[in-house]
Formats: sequence, structure tokens, C-alpha cells
Amino acid sequence: AQRVTQPEKLLSVFKGAPVELKCNYSYSGSPELFWYVQYSRQRLQLLLRHISRESIKGFTADLNKGETSFHLKKPFAQEEDSAMYYCALSRGNQFYFGTGTSLTVIP
Amino acid sequence: EAGVTQFPSHSVIEKGQTVTLRCDPISGHDNLYWYRRVMGKEIKFLLHFVKESKQDESGMPNNRFLAERTGGTYSTLKVQPAELEDSGVYFCASSQAGYSGNTIYFGEGSWLTVV
Repeated sequence: AQRVTQPEKLLSVFKGAPVELKCNYSYSGSPELFWYVQYSRQRLQLLLRHISRESIKGFTADLNKGETSFHLKKPFAQEEDSAMYYCALSRGNQFYFGTGTSLTVIP
Repeated sequence: EAGVTQFPSHSVIEKGQTVTLRCDPISGHDNLYWYRRVMGKEIKFLLHFVKESKQDESGMPNNRFLAERTGGTYSTLKVQPAELEDSGVYFCASSQAGYSGNTIYFGEGSWLTVV
């Protein structure tokens, strides 16, 4: 069965500090993994996907198949990064989400 | 281009009443999904339409939930009769057809509170 685990419900960091949001998955095949973000009063939106290997808003995420992880990282957090972050795994046209991590960046 | 729109944005109903949530996907998107997030839990898949057909409804919690997508355009999700545990945020999402792992686009969600 597919499962996505985000162990941290809440995460607070100071502005300018590095941030890492953890995501682990279980999946028997080759996973396609995503990070979605929901800013206050806005809709869920795609932040990045592992197959594109791009950096969005300074965030990166590397798929580590050995550790079955897809942690989201940013070297210097900004106040505008405060939001809810969801890790998601895609199988075909269905997505499996983690419980989300609420990130607060303290000024 | 208009995004996925959902109506109503908020709804408060009494236990036993009926609520119908509506979703208008992005024009041209054949895939339409309903997801739900109950407080403190993960966003869970409810069902998936391809055009007007239910492709996968394995996530529907019970027969009090009925989803339709007549004509393959907008979709409705009806909860009848509503129970307290149905409270949560109901997300609709859509994606283009035919591409595995394609990104999906979410609506803002419909917040349902059953009292």
C-alpha cells in the first residue's frame, strides 16, 4: 500500500535559518513525488515535483530511494514561506498525501 | 484561465441534513477528483472521474456520499444525511487526461461543519 509520512505537524524556524520538511514514503514501484503548498487563504498549489529536479522559491527536494525520503529543503527561510506543506505521491492519476507540516518562519 | 472553482466555500449544517458541494474543473480537464481533509488527518482521496465516468470511487467512506458528473463538466458531491464526522475540508481537483503523474490543480476547498 502507498503511504506518505510527514512526521512533523508543526515546524518553526527563524528567518534566514535553514529549513527542512521531512517526507518519507512507502511504495513498491517507482514513485513520482511532489510537494504541494497552501498559503493562508489560498488554494493548494504545486511547489515542485521530483522528476523536474528544479528549484522553486529556493526550495529543493531530492528523492532518496535508499531512505525512501523526499525531504524539502531551503537554505534561508523567508517569512513568506510560512504555510502548510504537503508531500504527495502519485500513482497513475491518484495522489496520496501526507498529513502536512505547518511551517512558521519567525521574523 | 479560470482555475478550479468550488461552491460553497463554507457550509454549516445540522446533523441529518443534506449538503451538496459543487466543483467546476478547469476547462478541458477530463480528470476530476474529490479529496477530503478531516481535522488533523491527511488529505484523503475520495473518488476520481474521467469525463462523466467514475474511474475510481474506492475512497468514498460510505453510501451517504454520492458524487455525480453529468455531462463530464462540473461535479457535485452530496452528503445525505450528514454526520458529525463528515466535517472537514472537501477539495476538488482536476487534471488533463492521459498523462500518468500529471500535476493536478486544486480548488480552494469547501469547508463543511456538521453540528
